[in-house]
Amino acid sequence: ETGVTQSPTHLIKTRGQQVTLRCSSQSGHNTVSWYQQALGQGPQFIFQYYREEENGRGNFPPRFSGLQFPNYSSELNVNALELDDSALYLCASSVEPGDLYGYTFGSGTRLTVV
Amino acid sequence: QKEVEQNSGPLSVPEGAIASLNCTYSDRGSQSFFWYRQYSGKSPELIMSIYSNGDKEDGRFTAQLNKASQYVSLLIRDSQPSDSATYLCAVINSSASKIIFGSGTRLSIRP
Repeated sequence: ETGVTQSPTHLIKTRGQQVTLRCSSQSGHNTVSWYQQALGQGPQFIFQYYREEENGRGNFPPRFSGLQFPNYSSELNVNALELDDSALYLCASSVEPGDLYGYTFGSGTRLTVV
Repeated sequence: QKEVEQNSGPLSVPEGAIASLNCTYSDRGSQSFFWYRQYSGKSPELIMSIYSNGDKEDGRFTAQLNKASQYVSLLIRDSQPSDSATYLCAVINSSASKIIFGSGTRLSIRP
């Protein structure tokens, strides 16, 4: 149990649909980072939120968006789903963006787009 | 050039031997370095962090950092079957804004 929870665990969606993934961080962790991990690849940085504002973004299109709330929860929204969006989506929390102690990951959401 | 590079493996090591995993990074200003272990279908788990040049030991694990060569390694002594996993090298970039991961090395410990 890492203190970072993600929901749902698994999800199947149809191409073109929209999806919302949720993450609940540890209390006091002001930073949440979202990663996409395709099969056989390392986690790819999607974006990061710090104190409810976007603090950096990776090479992902605008149809990937997010929110962070004052209660340490956050969302990743993906519109117009494509088959290549099928991946494990990981939420990671930390106190600061470049936390020297590293990030704590949730258990992930496995998204399958058919 | 990838920001963090690892050999994808698989690396096969006999039980009880030393497993050596390597990683290079491109951002010379990178500040902190991590090794995560990821079992199939699970999320990454932090096993080692290192910030200064040299070696850092924790149980059977030793992380080594050489900033001049932009090289990080992980040694696993007395390898056990439970060490079979993918090992992800990760780096905090020079602007200290995010952690960047390599693609991982798959390690297999054979009995």
